[in-house]
Amino acid sequence: AQTVTQSQPEMSVQEAETVTLSCTYDTSESDYYLFWYKQPPSRQMILVIRQEAYKQQNATENRFSVNFQKAAKSFSLKISDSQLGDAAMYFCAYREGAQKLVFGQGTRLTINP
Amino acid sequence: DAEITQSPRHKITETGRQVTLACHQTWNHNNMFWYRQDLGHGLRLIHYSYGVHDTNKGEVSDGYSVSRSNTEDLPLTLESAASSQTSVYFCASSEDPYSWTQYFGPGTRLLVL
Repeated sequence: AQTVTQSQPEMSVQEAETVTLSCTYDTSESDYYLFWYKQPPSRQMILVIRQEAYKQQNATENRFSVNFQKAAKSFSLKISDSQLGDAAMYFCAYREGAQKLVFGQGTRLTINP
Repeated sequence: DAEITQSPRHKITETGRQVTLACHQTWNHNNMFWYRQDLGHGLRLIHYSYGVHDTNKGEVSDGYSVSRSNTEDLPLTLESAASSQTSVYFCASSEDPYSWTQYFGPGTRLLVL
């Protein structure tokens, strides 16, 4: 079974600085999708960024970017110019074809003013 | 605007009682999912459906059931609530099995006493 591991239960960063959240996954498939979801205190799950495994180019969405290392099965999220509104739980997730999402345990990100 | 809603948002019940959590989406999405979120586990899939009258078991389906009589709704039923089912429950939907994104509802916090 596929597994997703987030080894950092908590992270903190100063406002306006850059932070990187780590994620590793285990799969034997070559075609799959990876996601980062944000969960603010409101509990709503919000898609931050997504990556197709067959694409070598790393996905970017404004201040959010990923470092996708397929051979190493690593998918880290970089948040640049951190803002107070970025404070949330962040979940890495794996999806294979039409199958379900498998989530990591989450990383709680704190932004220090 | 299209959306996905869950009701109730908070529920307290007693062990042994039957509980039904509602999920309603107005996107006309074929795919709907139920997850539970517990500390240290991220989100885990309970049941999912790829269309009307289709239901499938997820990773943690024991003690739960779903039915899909129309496109918009996927109610989750706890046949005989147990304290181990105290959790936060999220419903999600996506357009088709290979769609990029699952859209999440706001969650239901369930306490079983």
